[in-house]
Amino acid sequence: KAGVTQTPRYLIKTRGQQVTLSCSPISGHRSVSWYQQTPGQGLQFLFEYFSETQRNKGNFPGRFSGRQFSNSRSEMNVSTLELGDSALYLCASSPQPGGQDTQYFGPGTRLTVL
Amino acid sequence: DAKTTQPTSMDCAEGRAANLPCNHSTISGNEYVYWYRQIHSQGPQYIIHGLKNNETNEMASLIITEDRKSSTLILPHATLRDTAVYYCIVRVPLIYNQGGKLIFGQGTELSVKP
Repeated sequence: KAGVTQTPRYLIKTRGQQVTLSCSPISGHRSVSWYQQTPGQGLQFLFEYFSETQRNKGNFPGRFSGRQFSNSRSEMNVSTLELGDSALYLCASSPQPGGQDTQYFGPGTRLTVL
Repeated sequence: DAKTTQPTSMDCAEGRAANLPCNHSTISGNEYVYWYRQIHSQGPQYIIHGLKNNETNEMASLIITEDRKSSTLILPHATLRDTAVYYCIVRVPLIYNQGGKLIFGQGTELSVKP
């Protein structure tokens, strides 16, 4: 099976712009989670989607949003970019949400905000 | 906040076993222990998980103490490619409001040396 794929792999934006990142889960996986990784804060949970519904959300401002499509593919959007949004954004998929279904991560999208 | 405590860094000689400890003294009875690793700026890679019994797969072994307050990840024959940050995670069950997500701590930076 193909793994989790994320596009684009690298992105450069300027402050105030918005960005959309895409994640395609492993075939058959219906749950998609997003994480942000920065040197200062480490890996932090953003949100999780299952069956096109946001099921769980981390402690991030409303500028961070996401959605999931009927084929389980997911996108996350960051509006009004700030310098501090520069990070590695990781997507993880699992068959179902929950404590027993392992999450498998994609390679990430490296976002740089100038 | 992460419910685990790990040493910041460890060294291991190539070919020897790497034993990575993790303390999770506040773990609840239905919370799983997961281990992931992250090789420089790649997506985290799933290694192994367990509830109360010791587990082994092709990558590693997981030893969980009887009181479940600590665990050890064992890489039986470490290679240079095992150099990575290793994360021990206690995963909140789905039945709770914020269940299912992974809460990462700072991890242990393992350096395998020739």
